[in-house]
Amino acid sequence: DAMVIQNPRYQVTQFGKPVTLSCSQTLNHNVMYWYQQKSSQAPKLLFHYYDKDFNNEADTPDNFQSRRPNTSFCFLDIRSPGLGDAAMYLCATSREGNSNQPQHFGDGTRLSIL
Amino acid sequence: AQKITQTQPGMFVQEKEAVTLDCTYDTSDPSYGLFWYKQPSSGEMIFLIYQGSYDQQNATEGRYSLNFQKARKSANLVISASQLGDSAMYFCAMRVSHGNQFYFGTGTSLTVIP
Repeated sequence: DAMVIQNPRYQVTQFGKPVTLSCSQTLNHNVMYWYQQKSSQAPKLLFHYYDKDFNNEADTPDNFQSRRPNTSFCFLDIRSPGLGDAAMYLCATSREGNSNQPQHFGDGTRLSIL
Repeated sequence: AQKITQTQPGMFVQEKEAVTLDCTYDTSDPSYGLFWYKQPSSGEMIFLIYQGSYDQQNATEGRYSLNFQKARKSANLVISASQLGDSAMYFCAMRVSHGNQFYFGTGTSLTVIP
């Protein structure tokens, strides 16, 4: 089945130690998104890619970076994680532009900071 | 600007009963799509149902239906014959025709009581 896969499902890192979360998709969608979601809150968009075009949200901290080396893969890099970065990170994909296209989500990576 | 409002932080429903989760939206774009997602405690976001702004009929998907009232800008999710497995967070989201961004409501936590 075509899908969105996030690895790892659970990630533990130390305060200040860089961490990378990965996302891959077999849907061949040209839009990929990264969301941060804290407990009992709505997902918060960090950034998204339309093909190679990177779109950063204005309030996304500089600590968060992303790479999309090809259509299938997208990475979230947290350069110096703080305690406040502990959250669920959701990757999603969609077809571009048309309002009838839903997002398809991965199972998420739950990040803990020690 | 686009906005989604979910005014029910938490809802309870008896097993086998129907429940309505409220969602109102605001946009000046005449072409948009409305989506409902379910998020169980395990964290994955599951796409449930879609309604297009030009759709004449309310969307249905199995036990899920959407009560779409365009003049009132509401798109309420109706779950019939509730099951224990329906206990989860439910998010309403909107996408407009000219963009790739999705706008999420704050979510409703549904608990199904045996």
